[in-house]
Amino acid sequence: DTAVSQTPKYLVTQMGNDKSIKCEQNLGHDTMYWYKQDSKKFLKIMFSYNNKELIINETVPNRFSPKSPDKAHLNLHINSLELGDSAVYFCASSQARRGLETQYFGPGTRLLVL
Amino acid sequence: GNSVTQMEGPVTLSEEAFLTINCTYTATGYPSLFWYVQYPGEGLQLLLKATKADDKGSNKGFEATYRKETTSFHLEKGSVQVSDSAVYFCALSPGDYKLSFGAGTTVTVRA
Repeated sequence: DTAVSQTPKYLVTQMGNDKSIKCEQNLGHDTMYWYKQDSKKFLKIMFSYNNKELIINETVPNRFSPKSPDKAHLNLHINSLELGDSAVYFCASSQARRGLETQYFGPGTRLLVL
Repeated sequence: GNSVTQMEGPVTLSEEAFLTINCTYTATGYPSLFWYVQYPGEGLQLLLKATKADDKGSNKGFEATYRKETTSFHLEKGSVQVSDSAVYFCALSPGDYKLSFGAGTTVTVRA
């Protein structure tokens, strides 16, 4: 059984479109994250939710909006997509223990904006 | 702020060679330190971690020791295999849910 799953795995879309990426974890964790990995493999955290409450909101354009309907799900909606949004987006989850927890990553969603 | 600096790649080795990837960090307090590995086309997975000074993390033949005096957490493996080809990320967590990652080091092991 997949611990952290993301859909879709690949997403190719036009500039200006709106798209969503979904993430689900079946580990019983209470904290979930979104990361962006650029073409040089650099990873940056975007958002984190703990028990459905937003706890990390890094400097991300407000075109990006996370939503956590419950502890097991964290979705990412992106409005007005731009070329620079092309990247791999990873969802992750952990059991909140303030820095001691291991984060479990999903397989990634490869977004290409044309 | 918190940051991680790791050795730039790419690194290319022959099978059974010794691998070292240097990682140093800047942080206030006592962060936890991690090495994550990303195999081609996959997400990251934890390789090993250490939560306090002088702790040694180990897994799959890889080791790293948390050195507070040199603010380092270097990754080593004595004899690499082709299956170790991946991108390796050093990371730290200061205790606020955030993981700060290094830039990643691409390792290619040739048969």
